[in-house]
Amino acid sequence: DTAVSQTPKYLVTQMGNDKSIKCEQNLGHDTMYWYKQDSKKFLKIMFSYNNKELIINETVPNRFSPKSPDKAHLNLHINSLELGDSAVYFCASSLGQGFDEQFFGPGTRLTVL
Amino acid sequence: SQQGEEDPQALSIQEGENATMNCSYKTSINNLQWYRQNSGRGLVHLILIRSNEREKHSGRLRVTLDTSKKSSSLLITASRAADTASYFCATDARTGFQKLVFGTGTRLLVSP
Repeated sequence: DTAVSQTPKYLVTQMGNDKSIKCEQNLGHDTMYWYKQDSKKFLKIMFSYNNKELIINETVPNRFSPKSPDKAHLNLHINSLELGDSAVYFCASSLGQGFDEQFFGPGTRLTVL
Repeated sequence: SQQGEEDPQALSIQEGENATMNCSYKTSINNLQWYRQNSGRGLVHLILIRSNEREKHSGRLRVTLDTSKKSSSLLITASRAADTASYFCATDARTGFQKLVFGTGTRLLVSP
């Protein structure tokens, strides 16, 4: 069984569209994250949720809206997509907060045309 | 910024050789972690070393931590082609929100 799964794996869309990425973890973890990895492989945290509560929101444009329906799921909705949003988005989870070992999903490669 | 920096940015070696990559960071930490990322995949946790530890081993991996120099090194012994990947260090801050800050990564290529 996959520990942290994301869908879709690839997403190609036009500028201005709205899209969502879904993430699920079956590890029983309390904390989930969204990261963005750019073309230079730089990985930066975007959001962190602990037991469905937003803990970290790292100066991300408000076009990005995370939603956690329960502690096993953390979805990312992006409005009005821009060229600069093209990147690989990773979901991750950890048992506790912040500096515990994190388990990553396989990533969603978003390409905005 | 607390961002770690790995050195070298890229490393190319032959199978059987050892690979050493270094990480420097800027602020006090609780622990430091190393992750591996194979091409097109998510990151995989390798090892965590706490700020009161100086060295840790896991299989062919050896990690050292020097908090006075704010640096860590990852040594992979007897490398294999399957070790080809990018390696990232990640640090947490002792204050503020509990999060990991990832370094810039070292791309390791192990040739058969």
